[in-house]
Order: sequence, then C-alpha cells, then structure tokens
Amino acid sequence: DAGVIQSPRHEVTEMGQEVTLRCKPISGHNSLFWYRQTMMRGLELLIYFNNNVPIDDSGMPEDRFSAKMPNASFSTLKIQPSEPRDSAVYFCASSWTANTHNEQFFGPGTRLTVL
Amino acid sequence: KQEVTQIPAALSVPEGENLVLNCSFTDSAIYNLQWFRQDPGKGLTSLLLIQSSQREQTSGRLNASLDKSSGRSTLYIAASQPGDSATYLCAIGAGNQFYFGTGTSLTVIP
Repeated sequence: DAGVIQSPRHEVTEMGQEVTLRCKPISGHNSLFWYRQTMMRGLELLIYFNNNVPIDDSGMPEDRFSAKMPNASFSTLKIQPSEPRDSAVYFCASSWTANTHNEQFFGPGTRLTVL
Repeated sequence: KQEVTQIPAALSVPEGENLVLNCSFTDSAIYNLQWFRQDPGKGLTSLLLIQSSQREQTSGRLNASLDKSSGRSTLYIAASQPGDSATYLCAIGAGNQFYFGTGTSLTVIP
C-alpha cells in the first residue's frame, strides 16, 4: 500500500484565495483525520470522519474552513478565503476503525504558505 | 480537556547511550497512547501504540510504557544511533479527540 497520500505537497497562495487540500487514506481504513501543525500551537486535530461522516469538527478554527469526504477514498480540506495566519503544515491521517481507539497513519503533509 | 506535556523539549546524547523520553497527561480516561517520530519536513511515523489496558509495548530497540494512574508514559531507546535523531511526539486517544504533546527533539551525536 502506498500509505496516506496528500496533495499538493506545497502550496503558496495569496491572501483571500481559495485553497483546497486533498487526501487519499489507506485503502480499507474507516477513519480519516485532518490536522494542522504550527510552531506556536503544535499539532491540532481539526476534524475527523468515520465511514465518510464528519464526527467531530470542534477543532475547525473558523467558518472559512470546511472539509468533505465524498467517498471512502478521498477527502478535501478547503479554506476560503485564506489568510496569512492559516500558514501551516496540514496533515491527513487514517486508521482502521471508526473511533479514536486505533493506530493512526499519517500522510507526508501539505505545507501551506499564505502571503 | 486533556493536557499532554513532553519534557525535555530537546535532548542531546552521544551515540550508544540508552535514553528515556517522557510524556505526561492530565486525565487517565484514555483509550490509548501512541508514540510517533517526525523527521524535519516530514510527516509522522507511528512507532508504538499502547492500548489503555496494556502496560508496555516493544519494537526492536524501543520500549514504551504506560502508567495511567500517574498519567505518565515513557519511551525507552536502547543503544541510540545517529539515525534516531528526530522529534518524538506522544499522542493520547480519548473521547473523540487525539491530543498531542509538543514533542522532544532528540539529537544523537556520532
């Protein structure tokens, strides 16, 4: 298996633009997690899905952030409009079962820079 | 809310030394604890997962322990090597959340 796949690996955009980050979880995994990592705040869980359904989005910072999982093999995290303080590394992770009980496998991340 | 702390923030040791990394948490109601390794500019690699009913897990030169009552976990690395240099993070699975520590940056000097 190729592991969790994220695209793009790097994104540079200007303030106000829409940004879409993509994730393909490991085949057969039922849970998908979106994280954000910054020097100041460390790693923060933004939202997670079980069987394509959003379960907990309490970590989503603002309404400018939205996430979807239209099927078991694809998820997007969208920021509209983007702001410089959104600059961070965004990670996607997946795990076997539909809760926080099991091992997570992380993708390589998307480094977002908003100018 | 679960608070996860890792001390020290940075550690430098000579090659071959055994070392211990620490992780502490404030609420013992957890599902599991997971140790990760993160290399600069890279994602997180899972090292060990300890379920709440377990006391320890071992993989090669790594041994992780869990003491829920005291809110502590340790990651023991035996015979450290320069390739072990990375940031090590612990994460608590509890409720609908994963809570991460800020990590310990380890440097193993050849």
